[in-house]
Amino acid sequence: SQKIEQNSEALNIQEGKTATLTCNYTNYSPAYLQWYRQDPGRGPVFLLLIRENEKEKRKERLKVTFDTTLKQSLFHITASQPADSATYLCALLLYTGRRALTFGSGTRLQVQP
Amino acid sequence: DTEVTQTPKHLVMGMTNKKSLKCEQHMGHRAMYWYKQKAKKPPELMFVYSYEKLSINESVPSRFSPECPNSSLLNLHLHALQPEDSALYLCASSPTILPAALEGLFFGSGTQLSVL
Repeated sequence: SQKIEQNSEALNIQEGKTATLTCNYTNYSPAYLQWYRQDPGRGPVFLLLIRENEKEKRKERLKVTFDTTLKQSLFHITASQPADSATYLCALLLYTGRRALTFGSGTRLQVQP
Repeated sequence: DTEVTQTPKHLVMGMTNKKSLKCEQHMGHRAMYWYKQKAKKPPELMFVYSYEKLSINESVPSRFSPECPNSSLLNLHLHALQPEDSALYLCASSPTILPAALEGLFFGSGTQLSVL
């Protein structure tokens, strides 16, 4: 069956460190992968998109990698700040079939001052 | 205006009530979406509209009835809901239907629905 897995355990890191979140998927051939941030009681906010033929994408303190062989994306936040504390969701769009995003359940990041 | 506005923010309804959720965007987006999200779970797609026509219905029970009266508005009509339908209902939009949405989906803040 198709699955998108993100670490359900919260990730706690110290301010200033790099946070690395993982998104693994099985039995998908995604056209692209997106990362969103979600704060409690709010809708997700789009952060970055990476296509299946791209290895890495950067935006300010954010970096996303996409390894279609490992079926994994890594999401990095460098020089993390307490304001980065939130839940981070990955979402896949497939080449074929349903033309809609499928979301992972997210990983909660807590940055300690 | 780069916002998706959802009303109401909170809704409590009984199982025999009829209510509607409203979503509005003025970004000129032609694709609009309803998602349902339970606590600590991912958003689950319910419906997709493209150019005011229903494009995807994820086998949602008929007690949920979507409507897209024009390109800026999306409604979700609720009738005879069950307590397990309690969730955060999220509306989203994108310039066109996927996969062209390279800017991602724009989400509203959601309506927190409680069914008693």
